[in-house]
Amino acid sequence: AAGVIQSPRHLIKEKRETATLKCYPIPRHDTVYWYQQGPGQDPQFLISFYEKMQSDKGSIPDRFSAQQFSDYHSELNMSSLELGDSALYFCASSSEYEQYFGPGTRLTVT
Amino acid sequence: GEDVEQSLFLSVREGDSSVINCTYTDSSSTYLYWYKQEPGAGLQLLTYIFSNMDMKQDQRLTVLLNKKDKHLSLRIADTQTGDSAIYFCAEASGGYSTLTFGKGTMLLVSP
Repeated sequence: AAGVIQSPRHLIKEKRETATLKCYPIPRHDTVYWYQQGPGQDPQFLISFYEKMQSDKGSIPDRFSAQQFSDYHSELNMSSLELGDSALYFCASSSEYEQYFGPGTRLTVT
Repeated sequence: GEDVEQSLFLSVREGDSSVINCTYTDSSSTYLYWYKQEPGAGLQLLTYIFSNMDMKQDQRLTVLLNKKDKHLSLRIADTQTGDSAIYFCAEASGGYSTLTFGKGTMLLVSP
C-alpha cells in the first residue's frame, strides 16, 4: 500500500540558511499535518492543511511557513535556521480518523 | 490544555505480555491512538479506539479504555524482541484533528 513520502530524508544546513521539506500524502488523503520531534521528545504539532487551506496551527515559529498545493503535496519552508531547529520533521496524512506518518526528514543545523 | 502522560520505561521478557499505560486529561478526546516508533524511524499507527468503546482487539494487541478515569492501555500478547520500540499514546478531539502525544514509553524486550 502507498505510504506518505517525504523528501529529503536527511538535510544538513548552516545557521541562518533556509530549508524546504516536501511531503506527498497517501493518494485520496486530503489532509496533511506537519510535526516536529526533537531528540528524545514526543512529536509536536506545527500546522495542518485541509483541501489546500490551512486548517489548524500549532507551535510553528514565524520563521516557518507551509502550504498545500493543488496536487495535495505540501511543503514546509524554514528560514533563518537556528541550532534548535535540528529535529525530525514528520508529515502525516489523514483519512479522517487515521493519521499515517511519513518516515520523516532529519534536519541538522550546524 | 490537553495533557497525555505515560510511564517512560517498561522491560519484559520475550513471550510475556506487555501492558503500556496512558492517562489523558482532555474530556473532549474522542479518538485515542497507539503509535510505535523504532529508533530513527517514523511513527507506525498500531491501533486506535473511539471513546464510545471499552475495548478493541487486533491480533496480539488489546486496547482497553476507561473513559471515566481517562485511562488507556495497550496490551501486547506474546511480546517479541521485534516489539522493542517506543510506544506513543495520542489523543484527538475529532476526525481530522491534530494529535497530542504522550512522551512515549520505551519497551525493552529481552530474550
